[in-house]
Amino acid sequence: GIQVEQSPPDLILQEGANSTLRCNFSDSVNNLQWFHQNPWGQLINLFYIPSGTKQNGRLSATTVATERYSLLYISSSQTTDSGVYFCAVEPPGTYKYIFGTGTRLKVLA
Amino acid sequence: DGGITQSPKYLFRKEGQNVTLSCEQNLNHDAMYWYRQDPGQGLRLIYYSQIVNDFQKGDIAEGYSVSREKKESFPLTVTSAQKNPTAFYLCASTPGFNTEAFFGQGTRLTVV
Repeated sequence: GIQVEQSPPDLILQEGANSTLRCNFSDSVNNLQWFHQNPWGQLINLFYIPSGTKQNGRLSATTVATERYSLLYISSSQTTDSGVYFCAVEPPGTYKYIFGTGTRLKVLA
Repeated sequence: DGGITQSPKYLFRKEGQNVTLSCEQNLNHDAMYWYRQDPGQGLRLIYYSQIVNDFQKGDIAEGYSVSREKKESFPLTVTSAQKNPTAFYLCASTPGFNTEAFFGQGTRLTVV
């Protein structure tokens, strides 16, 4: 089955710093989403981005489906950005999202 | 408000007992999913359902059962056959193929 790998696994930043999170997938996909899991466990939708680039405030994402990767950019990080970031992909012909291993982000004040 | 409601938030059960987790959505979505998350790990798919009265096993279905009698409801039963049931369980739904997934707030199950 498809493999979804995220890097780095852990990241510690000072408040105000920028960061780039990466999601690599081993086969073609129809869909890709980025989520932020907050300390209470809730998964918050960040981007639905099967291809192209999107921006939402300090966050932006780019998916290059032909090269099988997606990037999540966080600018001017805040302590509330702390948590775990997951990417999830939907392989063609399936009805299911496969999750990556996650990047655990800690932003220090 | 439209959304996905999971209940209860926290659940404690004795070993050997079956337990049912509730997931209800009022988004009129066709597909629903159950995922399991262990501490410090990613999400793994247990079961999913594309339409009413139909469901498929995911990657870790052993020890679990589901039903989909109504479009808005997809309860998950954790049976006594599940060897390590203590985990965080998340329910999700999508309108259909090639669409965005939305998640409920999760249920933390602890078996003692």
